[in-house]
This record gives sequence, structure tokens and C-alpha cells, in this order.
Amino acid sequence: DAGITQSPRHKVTETGTPVTLRCHQTENHRYMYWYRQDPGHGLRLIHYSYGVKDTDKGEVSDGYSVSRSKTEDFLLTLESATSSQTSVYFCAISESARSSYEQYFGPGTRLTVT
Amino acid sequence: GEDVEQSLFLSVREGDSSVINCTYTDSSSTYLYWYKQEPGAGLQLLTYIFSNMDMKQDQRLTVLLNKKDKHLSLRIADTQTGDSAIYFCAESRGNTPLVFGKGTRLSVIA
Repeated sequence: DAGITQSPRHKVTETGTPVTLRCHQTENHRYMYWYRQDPGHGLRLIHYSYGVKDTDKGEVSDGYSVSRSKTEDFLLTLESATSSQTSVYFCAISESARSSYEQYFGPGTRLTVT
Repeated sequence: GEDVEQSLFLSVREGDSSVINCTYTDSSSTYLYWYKQEPGAGLQLLTYIFSNMDMKQDQRLTVLLNKKDKHLSLRIADTQTGDSAIYFCAESRGNTPLVFGKGTRLSVIA
């Protein structure tokens, strides 16, 4: 299995509080991604990174920010959590964004905003 | 962007074949993927097909690609209870992140 960990694995927080999720990889892959998974919506891209300090928005980026100060870590921050951000969050990595390169997924973080 | 479409549910009996269908949107997609998600876990790549191929077989899995209709299918022969999972179709669109379908939940009845 690709070396991807996510922390925390579960979190319950209150509306209006800031939350940071961490993705850590040991594969030295250039690309890292944050997705959210919701029933009826499948997997939707939030943000992705193509290098240290290089990030871009995905399909559902509103309310989220990201940072990547080291190759191995990609942080997802909810500045002020809302109930609509209750979801399962997955991190993924790939060597390249080119279509021939596989994406490897982390185990997920289940976030509940009350 | 436009959606990658999949049916949401499929139920089959153990030992039968399962066929999961997907329609994608970008005729220039070079690779098409099938990912499997088991309960409580992340997605894992199951198989993929390059766009210049019509079919790819890998043990119990057969992928069929119809580029004219932008239709992709995954056939699982002799379906087992361990095949129960959510299956995601994904397409590549150049050098941008993969676009995933909503996933098909396969239930295998013993």
C-alpha cells in the first residue's frame, strides 16, 4: 500500500470552529489531492497541489483552504466549519497529473459538524 | 464540467456476473479507470484501460470500452461476496485531476 496517512481519522466539531485535517505521505509524490465523499454526490475534488506551495482549486473549494509547505504534508483547513461540511474527506497522491499515473488514496477522515 | 455517469446500485447473486456501466464525457480522455471502495476504506485502483483499446481482461475482470458512445463497462465474472463494494469510474482529462463518477454500490447476495 502507498504510504498515506490522514489525521485525525474521526472528528466531531461545532459549527463556526476552525478545523484542520492533515495528509502525510512517504512516497515523495509531487501531486496531492483533497476530496470529499457524500451520498449521492460521489467523490468531489476540493483542492489539489502540484508542488510545495503550489495549489489549485477543485470543484467544491468554497469554505476550504489548503497549504503545502513540505512535499510530504498537505493540510486542509475549514476556517469556520458548517454543517454542510459534514463529510468523509479523502486525501490522494500521484506522481504526476498525467493520465497514465495512478492516484493512491488515504483511509479517509470522517468529520461531523454539529 | 460535465458529469461522469453511473447507475447508483446493482444487486447480483453470488456466482453470477456483474456488469457495471459508466458513460464519460471527454472523447479525448486517454485513460479510463475503475476504482473499488470497500466499506470504511479509501479507493483502490482496480483496473484501467487505455483509450486505444476496446477490451482489457484481468482474471475475473473484463473492461469494455466503446469510444463512439463514450461508454465504459466493468464485468466481474463469478461474483463473490467479497466483491461487495462501491465501484467508481474515472476519466482523465489531460493533465488535470481525474474526474470520478458518483459510484455504483454492488451488493452480492449469497
